[in-house]
Amino acid sequence: DAGITQSPRHKVTETGTPVTLRCHQTENHRYMYWYRQDPGHGLRLIHYSYGVKDTDKGEVSDGYSVSRSKTEDFLLTLESATSSQTSVYFCAISSSLETGGNTQYFGPGTRLTVL
Amino acid sequence: AQSVAQPEDQVNVAEGNPLTVKCTYSVSGNPYLFWYVQYPNRGLQFLLKYITGDNLVKGSYGFEAEFNKSQTSFHLKKPSALVSDSALYFCAVRDPLYGGATNKLIFGTGTLLAVQP
Repeated sequence: DAGITQSPRHKVTETGTPVTLRCHQTENHRYMYWYRQDPGHGLRLIHYSYGVKDTDKGEVSDGYSVSRSKTEDFLLTLESATSSQTSVYFCAISSSLETGGNTQYFGPGTRLTVL
Repeated sequence: AQSVAQPEDQVNVAEGNPLTVKCTYSVSGNPYLFWYVQYPNRGLQFLLKYITGDNLVKGSYGFEAEFNKSQTSFHLKKPSALVSDSALYFCAVRDPLYGGATNKLIFGTGTLLAVQP
């Protein structure tokens, strides 16, 4: 999985609790992304980062925040988890050096269940 | 609006037969197009991409895709399907609004390919 790890891989939590998911890369790539995958929706972008401390919202950012204090780590936080945030979360990375149409490479995913 | 469509939720094919997984796109400018495959309980794996040049792009595991600008399509193909090709396939296009500044992708909803022995 292209030098990308996600932790935890599985998590069950209760409504209203905070949750932080971690994405760690060893590729030194500039760009990092958080997606959620839900049946019938494909992958939807939550937040992305284009450098250390540089982040921006994706199409489904409500209820989520992110932080990137160093190149290798990108954290996704659910401030107060809701059942609608039950999903599979994927991290992806992309290089700024690949010529033309930089490819995104994905981590193994985190399955989050909010009860 | 920029979008990618995969019109078939599922494609069934017998092993040894050719397969096609369809993708159409709607973006402004020249598209950068991608195909990914997802096996059960795994992350997405990159298969191939079209940036420019030959309309027929070859990728991993014997897959290829044909870019057709007039039909705004980028269909995934394989001459002879294997049972092990059974997986979920995603088409994606780079968001032209941001281009290389962010490398953001817009994904289709996915097509489940089932190859019967």
